[in-house]
Amino acid sequence: AQSVTQLGSHVSVSEGALVLLRCNYSSSVPPYLFWYVQYPNQGLQLLLKYTSAATLVKGINGFEAEFKKSETSFHLTKPSAHMSDAAEYFCAVRSYSGGYQKVTFGTGTKLQVIP
Amino acid sequence: EAQVTQNPRYLITVTGKKLTVTCSQNMNHEYMSWYRQDPGLGLRQIYYSMNVEVTDKGDVPEGYKVSRKEKRNFPLILESPSPNQTSLYFCASSAASSNQPQHFGDGTRLSIL
Repeated sequence: AQSVTQLGSHVSVSEGALVLLRCNYSSSVPPYLFWYVQYPNQGLQLLLKYTSAATLVKGINGFEAEFKKSETSFHLTKPSAHMSDAAEYFCAVRSYSGGYQKVTFGTGTKLQVIP
Repeated sequence: EAQVTQNPRYLITVTGKKLTVTCSQNMNHEYMSWYRQDPGLGLRQIYYSMNVEVTDKGDVPEGYKVSRKEKRNFPLILESPSPNQTSLYFCASSAASSNQPQHFGDGTRLSIL
C-alpha cells in the first residue's frame, strides 16, 4: 500500500519569496517520487522526479526537491517565486509490488503568487 | 510531436447513456492509465494497463471499464453513467518502468445529468 500527503491545499507567497510545498509519502517498497504542475485548463506536466540516483533533485523552472527517507518526505522548493509559478502542484508516488504498478497522487497544493 | 490525445474534451450527457472516452499515445509506451480529478481529492487512478491485453484496477474502478487491444489506445468506457461520475478525466502514458514519469492528455470534462 502507498499514500501521499500534501500539507496545505493553498499556499500564498510574495513574488521573490521562497516557495515550499510539502509532500510526505508512505510505501511498502522503495518508491519513485514525482512532482507535477498543472496550469489552469491544462494537463499535468512533470517538474522533477526522484529515482534513487541522488537525494537532491533539480527540475525545470528553478524548482528542486530533496528526498529524505528518514522523514518520508519529498518537499518541493524554489528560492524565488515568480508570477508564472502560480498553478496547482501534485506530488505522486509510483511503485511496483507483487505484479502491480499503481500510481498515487496527493490532493494537490494551489500556489498563489502575490505581486 | 509526442502526445497523448483524448477525445472528446467536453461532454454533457444523461444518466444511463453509455459513453466512451478515447485515449491514444504516439510514444510506443507500454503503461497507460486513467485518472479522475475532483476538487480537494487530487487525481485518483481508475484503471491502468501495463501492456496490451493487461489491465488492472486502480483505486476507484467502480462503474468504469477499459480495454487495451492495441498498444497505442486505451479507451475508458462508462456503460451506465451516473451523476457521481461527473468529473475531469485524464489519460496518461509512460514507459513500463516505475521510475519513468507519465505524459498526460489535456483532459476530458464529463458532466452526467
